[in-house]
Amino acid sequence: GNSVTQMEGPVTLSEEAFLTINCTYTATGYPSLFWYVQYPGEGLQLLLKATKADDKGSNKGFEATYRKETTSFHLEKGSVQVSDSAVYFCALLTGTASKLTFGTGTRLQVTL
Amino acid sequence: DSGVTQTPKHLITATGQRVTLRCSPRSGDLSVYWYQQSLDQGLQFLIQYYNGEERAKGNILERFSAQQFPDLHSELNLSSLELGDSALYFCASSARDNYEQYFGPGTRLTVT
Repeated sequence: GNSVTQMEGPVTLSEEAFLTINCTYTATGYPSLFWYVQYPGEGLQLLLKATKADDKGSNKGFEATYRKETTSFHLEKGSVQVSDSAVYFCALLTGTASKLTFGTGTRLQVTL
Repeated sequence: DSGVTQTPKHLITATGQRVTLRCSPRSGDLSVYWYQQSLDQGLQFLIQYYNGEERAKGNILERFSAQQFPDLHSELNLSSLELGDSALYFCASSARDNYEQYFGPGTRLTVT
C-alpha cells in the first residue's frame, strides 16, 4: 500500500537557519505529492505541491522537488523565521484512491 | 482561510452519546473528505463523498456514518462514543477526484 515516511521531530533551529525536512514515499502508480502545514490550534494549510517527476513546488520561500528516482519530496527553506514554527506534513495522492496518505508530521520550532 | 467551514469548533460530550459534525466545502467543490487526527494514529482518512454519493471509505468505524446533502454540505455522525474517539476531526474539499484538498479548521471532540 501507500505510505509516507518523514523525519522524526522536533526540529529546532535558530532564526535565519537553513531548513530541510526529509520525506520519502512508497506508492503504486504516479502519485501527486504535497506539503501541508499546521500552525498551533489551526487546521492544515496546503503549502505546496508537485504532480509529476522533477516538478518543483514552491510557496512562501519553501521548496520541494519531486524526485522519482529516490522517491523523495524533501522540504527546504533557505532562511526560517519564528513564524514558521508549526507541524509540517508530507502527503501523497494517487490515481487509484482519492484519499491523502500522510506522514506522521515533523514539528519545527524556530527560536530567536 | 481555505473556504472550508466546520462547526462546531469544540465539542465535549460523555461516553455513549451521539454527536454530529458539520462541514461546508469551498464554493464549487463537489468532493468532501473526512479525516481524524489523534496523537496515537496520526491523520487517518475516514470517508469521501462526491456530489452526494459515497466514493471511498477508509478506517471508519461502524459507529460512524456520514452523508452529503444536495447543497453539498456534509455531516459526520459519531455514535456510542468512547474515550478513544476523542480527536480532531477535519473536513476537506476538492474540486474533483484526485485533486488537491483544502482543509477546514477542524472540530475538536472530547469524550469524557
